[in-house]
Amino acid sequence: DAGVIQSPRHEVTEMGQEVTLRCKPISGHDYLFWYRQTMMRGLELLIYFNNNVPIDDSGMPEDRFSAKMPNASFSTLKIQPSEPRDSAVYFCASSYQGQVETQYFGPGTRLLVL
Amino acid sequence: SQKIEQNSEALNIQEGKTATLTCNYTNYSPAYLQWYRQDPGRGPVFLLLIRENEKEKRKERLKVTFDTTLKQSLFHITASQPADSATYLCAPQSGGYQKVTFGTGTKLQVIP
Repeated sequence: DAGVIQSPRHEVTEMGQEVTLRCKPISGHDYLFWYRQTMMRGLELLIYFNNNVPIDDSGMPEDRFSAKMPNASFSTLKIQPSEPRDSAVYFCASSYQGQVETQYFGPGTRLLVL
Repeated sequence: SQKIEQNSEALNIQEGKTATLTCNYTNYSPAYLQWYRQDPGRGPVFLLLIRENEKEKRKERLKVTFDTTLKQSLFHITASQPADSATYLCAPQSGGYQKVTFGTGTKLQVIP
């Protein structure tokens, strides 16, 4: 299995632009998580899905952030408009019902908003 | 509010020695606790999970203890190797299995 796939790996954009991050979970996994990691705040859970349905989005910082999961093999995290304080590494992770607590992380997307 | 504390200072140890990392938590009672490893430029990788009714768990050179009275977990790497150099994250969990909250991690450097 290729593991969790994220794209792009790096993104540099200007303040005010829309940013879309993509994730393909491991095949057969029915949970998908989006995290953000910064030096100051560490790894924070933004939102997670179960069977493509958002379960908890309490970690989404504000309305500028939105996430979708149109099918079992694809999810997006969108920031519109982006701000410099959104600069961070964004990780996607997946797990499956039989071992939900063990999450498999993707390589992350390093986002820099100028 | 819930708080997870890991030593933010990097831990440097000599190859072959035992590394011990600490995770303290406050204001909640986790049902279990996980440890992950993170290498630079990569996502965290799951290492071990210990439940509240387990005092100790081992996997190869790794050992984790969980003291619910002290609200602390210790993570040990015996016979440490330079390849063990990484940041180690702890994640105590009190809610459902799905939602994982991570500490900020401790960076371990094993010196040859």
